[in-house]
Amino acid sequence: EIVLTQSPATLSLSPGERATLSCRASQGVSSYLAWYQQKPGQAPRLLIYDASNRATGIPARFSGSGSGTDFTLTISSLEPEDFAVYYCQQRSNWPLTFGQGTRLEIK
Amino acid sequence: QLQLQESGPGLVKPSETLSLTCTVSGGSISSSSYYWGWIRQPPGKGLEWIGSIYYSGSSYYNPSLKSRVTISVDTSKNQFSLKLSSVTAADTAVYYCARHVSHSPDYWGQGTLVTVSS
Repeated sequence: EIVLTQSPATLSLSPGERATLSCRASQGVSSYLAWYQQKPGQAPRLLIYDASNRATGIPARFSGSGSGTDFTLTISSLEPEDFAVYYCQQRSNWPLTFGQGTRLEIK
Repeated sequence: QLQLQESGPGLVKPSETLSLTCTVSGGSISSSSYYWGWIRQPPGKGLEWIGSIYYSGSSYYNPSLKSRVTISVDTSKNQFSLKLSSVTAADTAVYYCARHVSHSPDYWGQGTLVTVSS
């Protein structure tokens, strides 16, 4: 099973700042990595698929990069609605696995 | 607009079988482009993929749950279902159904909390 490790566990930033979230895979997953945003009481929302492709309707301030074992989700300028938990997910190998999440909180 | 809705009991007794159904509307479960699957999230914890199925019946399961899980599809009703046997308190979670595009969930149901307790 591929283990995804996200860092940091919690990120405290202010609106308008840039956020950089990391996801590291225990073995290479090529570009088969997705990012999700989850707000309290809601289902996760797909943000990025295949490492760098924004899903439909996702604002341009969200971008993804990386390949192999190291991936980054960047939010260029934080909006109040961006404070949430973010998960990465790999689809390179069965079983599909998720990272443990990064909580992005308001500083 | 595609919508998915989970349904089933919110309370299941230990050792019994958890059964949930996901009803898909606004699109066909028989589309050749997608898998349909289940993900769960224990209270306050992260996401765990349970398994997914193609409309033809081809399926994949998480090995950690495989001995207890069955996912089935009913194309005539545009539904797919989850059965998890021999449940314990560790199976208490919000259960989500989701469409999978290239094996990444893109459309999700709202989730349903299932509590295992006597």
